[in-house]
Amino acid sequence: QLQLQESGPGLLKPSETLSLTCTVSGDSITSANSFWAWIRQPPGKGLEWIGSGHYSGGTYYNPSLKSRVTISVDTSKIQFSLTLSSVTAADTAIYYCARHVRHYPSLYYFDYWGQGTLVTVSS
Amino acid sequence: EIVLTQSPGTLSLSPGERATLSCRASQGGSSSSLAWYQQKPGQAPRLLIFGASSRATGIPDRFSGSGSGTDFTLIISRLEPEDFAVYYCQQYGNSPYTFGQGTKLEIK
Repeated sequence: QLQLQESGPGLLKPSETLSLTCTVSGDSITSANSFWAWIRQPPGKGLEWIGSGHYSGGTYYNPSLKSRVTISVDTSKIQFSLTLSSVTAADTAIYYCARHVRHYPSLYYFDYWGQGTLVTVSS
Repeated sequence: EIVLTQSPGTLSLSPGERATLSCRASQGGSSSSLAWYQQKPGQAPRLLIFGASSRATGIPDRFSGSGSGTDFTLIISRLEPEDFAVYYCQQYGNSPYTFGQGTKLEIK
């Protein structure tokens, strides 16, 4: 059974860079039909897809965040990561990592999720 | 960007009753590119339905999905106590992949 676990700092100051890692276990991170996604949820609000990356280097980002986001996959560590630059209070949210199912050439739904990690941006 | 509008915002029902949740898309993308998720407090969302009507692994058959184009429905045939949660729809016909704002299913 695929398991995902987020890790990273829980508190940032405005203008800092958010860096999170998701460790994958129970399945291959190099599956051709698996992209690896980040999704966030402000406290008490809905879900927003941030972006998805593939072990081959391919990435897709939400245009609303694209200028600040990088997603990368490290096959040696069996992890993938999210960096989000120049954070503000609006970036305060629970950040989830998830597997984004691909049926070539399209991306589909998110079938496995991590438990989520709360990131707070405050001075 | 495709906007998904879910209704009602809150649905108050009793165990054993039938729940009908709606999700409407602002544009008609790929006809069945819609998923439903259940989220309980303090937990990550769980995939229930994909392809508008296919149940994910381990999902009970009291959950069913239907619809195509712009109008989709999630039905829970007989509510169990563990079904009271927030439900989200998600479209994957077009990037960016977007979610509805959620329907809270609460115990009446």
